[in-house]
Amino acid sequence: DIQMTQSPSSLSASIGDRVTITCRASQSISTYLNWYQQKPGKAPKVLISTASSLESGVPSRFSGSGSGTDFTLTINGLRPDDFATYYCQQSNRTPYTFGQGTKLEIK
Amino acid sequence: QLQLQESGPGLVKPSETLSLTCNVSGGTINSPTHYWNWIRQSPGKGLEWIGSIYYRGATNYHPSLKSRVTLSLDTSKNQFSLQLRSLTAADTGVYFCSASTTMILYYWGQGILVTVSS
Repeated sequence: DIQMTQSPSSLSASIGDRVTITCRASQSISTYLNWYQQKPGKAPKVLISTASSLESGVPSRFSGSGSGTDFTLTINGLRPDDFATYYCQQSNRTPYTFGQGTKLEIK
Repeated sequence: QLQLQESGPGLVKPSETLSLTCNVSGGTINSPTHYWNWIRQSPGKGLEWIGSIYYRGATNYHPSLKSRVTLSLDTSKNQFSLQLRSLTAADTGVYFCSASTTMILYYWGQGILVTVSS
């Protein structure tokens, strides 16, 4: 299985801050990397697919980059609605695997 | 816009079989557009992809669960289902059904909490 490791596991930030979450794959996955946002009691929602493609309706303050084994999710200008848990997921090969999540909290 | 809704028991005994159904609306499961997936989430293991089924019935399972899982389609009801056998406490968690294209999980059900306990 391809292991996905996210860092940090949790992060405290303030409204308006810029934050970066990283995701590392245990082997190269090209750009088959997706980012999801999950709020308590809800299903995850895809934000970014294939490493850097912003999904329809997702605010432009979210961006993704990377290829191979190292990827980042950046949020510019945090808003209250952004405080949630973020997961990366590789879609290069089965079994499709997720990172352990990064919980973004208000400072 | 696809909508998915899980249904099934919330409490199952150890060693028994879990059967969950996902009802799909806003589209047909008998279409090559999407793959139909089950994913579970538990505090101990985070998000775990269980498997997927395609419109012609082709399946793909997580190797660690393959011996205990069966996915199936019911095109007459526009539903797909999960069976997970020989349950243990480690199978406790929230189970989601999801529709994907190229394994990007675009559409999700709300999730159903399944507890394995006697």
